[in-house]
Amino acid sequence: QPVLTQPPSSSASPGESARLTCALPSDIDVDDYNIYWYQQKPGSPPTYLLYYFSDSDKGQGSGVPSRFSGSKDASANTGILLISGLQSEDEADYYCMIWPANAPVVFGGGTKLTVL
Amino acid sequence: QVQLVQSGAEVKKPGASVKVSCKASGYTFINYNIHWVRQAPGQGLEWMAKINPSGVISNYAHKFQGRVTMTRDTSTSTVYMELRSLRSEDTAVYYCAREVAGPGGDWLDPWGQGSLVTVSS
Repeated sequence: QPVLTQPPSSSASPGESARLTCALPSDIDVDDYNIYWYQQKPGSPPTYLLYYFSDSDKGQGSGVPSRFSGSKDASANTGILLISGLQSEDEADYYCMIWPANAPVVFGGGTKLTVL
Repeated sequence: QVQLVQSGAEVKKPGASVKVSCKASGYTFINYNIHWVRQAPGQGLEWMAKINPSGVISNYAHKFQGRVTMTRDTSTSTVYMELRSLRSEDTAVYYCAREVAGPGGDWLDPWGQGSLVTVSS
């Protein structure tokens, strides 16, 4: 079962952008997977944000603002969640997920985003 | 609106079993798979398994093999997850989540509010 690596923490100021990463292990290729992103605020269940496969194959969760977007860095074998125009309410834990075919779902360890 | 409402908190002794329920509303129950994900205190998300409309577990995390049973009652739109031989490390919030099949992928939305299971002697 693959392990997705997320930095434990990240911070940015209101109005700035936050770039959260999700590194896949070297034995699987980020270009082969949808990368899903979830947001979790303290005391609440996770909520679905978006998925990203490519610029032509991506999807936003219902009601999720367009300032949340996904991308990939193939050279780093990494999925990326970009949050632009940070707001205080974006302070939360963010989890990436992949779902290999005929295999269990895998979550990253999560990144705690602090809005300074 | 689409909603998953889970059963309340439970305290169990090591070696016991726990059964958590997840009642769905606002959509056609048999058309969607349900997943179970748990979160230990202060930790990340850990996927456990999913159950499909026919009531068959289609895949699951190997670490739960033999210890987890999932069932569904279509008459009440409820899914149940039973975890046996509990140990202290099973202390966690257990979430159910609906699998949504979109044109480009499948995601989990919405999630239930979570059920805290505490395993303690």
